Amino acid sequence: GAVVSQHPSRVICKSGTSVKIECRSLDFQATTMFWYRQFPKQSLMLMATSNEGSKATYEQGVEKDKFLINHASLTLSTLTVTSAHPEDSSFYICSAGPADVHQETQYFGPGTRLLVL
Amino acid sequence: GENVEQHPSTLSVQEGDSAVIKCTYSDSASNYFPWYKQELGKRPQLIIDIRSNVGEKKDQRIAVTLNKTAKHFSLHITETQPEDSAVYFCAASISGGSYIPTFGRGTSLIVHP
Repeated sequence: GAVVSQHPSRVICKSGTSVKIECRSLDFQATTMFWYRQFPKQSLMLMATSNEGSKATYEQGVEKDKFLINHASLTLSTLTVTSAHPEDSSFYICSAGPADVHQETQYFGPGTRLLVL
Repeated sequence: GENVEQHPSTLSVQEGDSAVIKCTYSDSASNYFPWYKQELGKRPQLIIDIRSNVGEKKDQRIAVTLNKTAKHFSLHITETQPEDSAVYFCAASISGGSYIPTFGRGTSLIVHP
């Protein structure tokens, strides 16, 4: 199957700092990538849809100025958590699907565990 | 929008038994239904999927059935093994359109040796 990587795998930061998370599709191009947040023992909560070359589409309740998304190429999307606070601590996962066939089949990155002190 | 309900939230079985997880969806336009397995601390992995033009799909010990009329689909795992223990998520989306998947809340499957 398609491979999606994510970096870093875990990060610890101080409150007020910004953290950038990268999501890469390694062997395919993705015009769209999705960013999710997952709390312990809970489902995947869609935060935003990252569109290559255009603005991201945010889900209701997700602050776009707080969670900056950039999709500069067909293989890379970044999520920046700005001015992080302890309540932003969570598991962030991206997903992507090959743009050419069956785009609805999504493959997930390994996730980034963020801890804000 | 689409709403996906998943049951049960927790399922405990003995090794060798079968396990069934059920999901219902609300949007009749949904036509793509993947199932993901997520082990603790790891990424969700696609294990099987089904499209609305078929009623059943099987891959070794795993099968998925779809009832479009009733708008529900199920995951069946036979001869369960301890390594099947994980959280399983169902999802529904529209192939070829706005294919943003809607996920169920997940089922924690525990297979006792």
